[in-house]
This record gives sequence, structure tokens and C-alpha cells, in this order.
Amino acid sequence: DQQVKQNSPSLSVQEGRISILNCDYTNSMFDYFLWYKKYPAEGPTFLISISSIKDKNEDGRFTVFLNKSAKHLSLHIVPSQPGDSAVYFCAASGSGYSTLTFGKGTMLLVSP
Amino acid sequence: KAGVTQTPRYLIKTRGQQVTLSCSPISGHRSVSWYQQTPGQGLQFLFEYFSETQRNKGNFPGRFSGRQFSNSRSEMNVSTLELGDSALYLCASSLGTSEPGELFFGEGSRLTVL
Repeated sequence: DQQVKQNSPSLSVQEGRISILNCDYTNSMFDYFLWYKKYPAEGPTFLISISSIKDKNEDGRFTVFLNKSAKHLSLHIVPSQPGDSAVYFCAASGSGYSTLTFGKGTMLLVSP
Repeated sequence: KAGVTQTPRYLIKTRGQQVTLSCSPISGHRSVSWYQQTPGQGLQFLFEYFSETQRNKGNFPGRFSGRQFSNSRSEMNVSTLELGDSALYLCASSLGTSEPGELFFGEGSRLTVL
């Protein structure tokens, strides 16, 4: 039973365009959401997070939107750069902030 | 400051053997979590240790165990290895407080079971 779902295994975008990565969750107890980026042969690195009391959080080129009623969040990258090519994981947390439930990831490829 | 260090980075075992993986967290971090990454299942939570006590546990069989030492370093052990245990095992550290915060991951230990 996947509580965090990333339905797109991959996404291809041209450099300079917007990348939109989507994530759905089913557990209403989740109240903190994070995005991680992972390059091959490296551990995931934290990108951006959002609390359930907010609906938007921005950090430079990265913006995360949260729609609690739809149990949906998205990560926008504008403008996309070739260095953004990586696997992006959506993660959620509830009662234990050190315990994250991850989606299976979306591989983003940004072409020049 | 130094990041999360995992050893060994790569190892090959055969079915039935056991393996021990080690993780040194970021200095000052008291929580260590372990995750298994496989192509089909993504990242799955194994367990979390805080101040030498297991605080949370994922849905894995008892063959998977761990412990944390007084210096916050952690080890995980997998006994009676199966082919399906082949995966990247990731360790993550955090302050472990109830305040929301990100986990800092190591580069992982790649286990291959033959």
C-alpha cells in the first residue's frame, strides 16, 4: 500500500523551461512534506519542504505547492537547468519527523 | 562539518550469510535512520534509533536489526541473506527532535547478494 505516490517515473524537459513534478499521498496524518534530489552513486539530498499549514514554499528556482484537500503536492523548477537532471523523491512525515515515507521517485532529464 | 559516513560502500555476499553495515552520523545528531532502496520499491524505512533506543520500526522481517552506540554511531545487521536483500542501504541522521527538519543522508552501502 503506497502512501506516497509519484506516478511519473520519468520527465523530460528542455533547459530554461519549467519542470513540474507531482506527488500524491493517501495518509491524512502526514503534516510535513519534503523533496529530495538524488544523483547516481550519491545519497539523497534535501531540496525543499513544506508544512501542512502552508500551501506554498519557495526557495530560489524551486517552489513546492501543497493542496491538502486533494492530498497532492508538486515541485516546480523554473528555469530548469541540465544540472537539475536527477531522481526526485517526494517524502512525507507524520508523528515521527525522523521517519519519512518516500515515493518511488521521478527521474528528471533536462536537455540543453 | 563532516557529513554522514557509511561503510563499507560496496560489498558482495552469498545467500545465507550475514552482513553488518556501519553509519557515523553528523556530529551532534542523535537520530539515525536506515532506509533500503531498491529499483522496484524506492526508499523504504527500516528503523530509527535515538539515544541508543529504537524509536520507530518499518515493516521488515526480524532478520533486519540495528543498534546505536553511545556516540550515536549506528550499525545495522541483516542475517540469513536472501537474493532480494540486494539493495542500496542508506543511513540518515538528524537532530531527532520533534521539530520538523530534513534528514541528512550518507552515500549508502551497496549490497549484492549472490
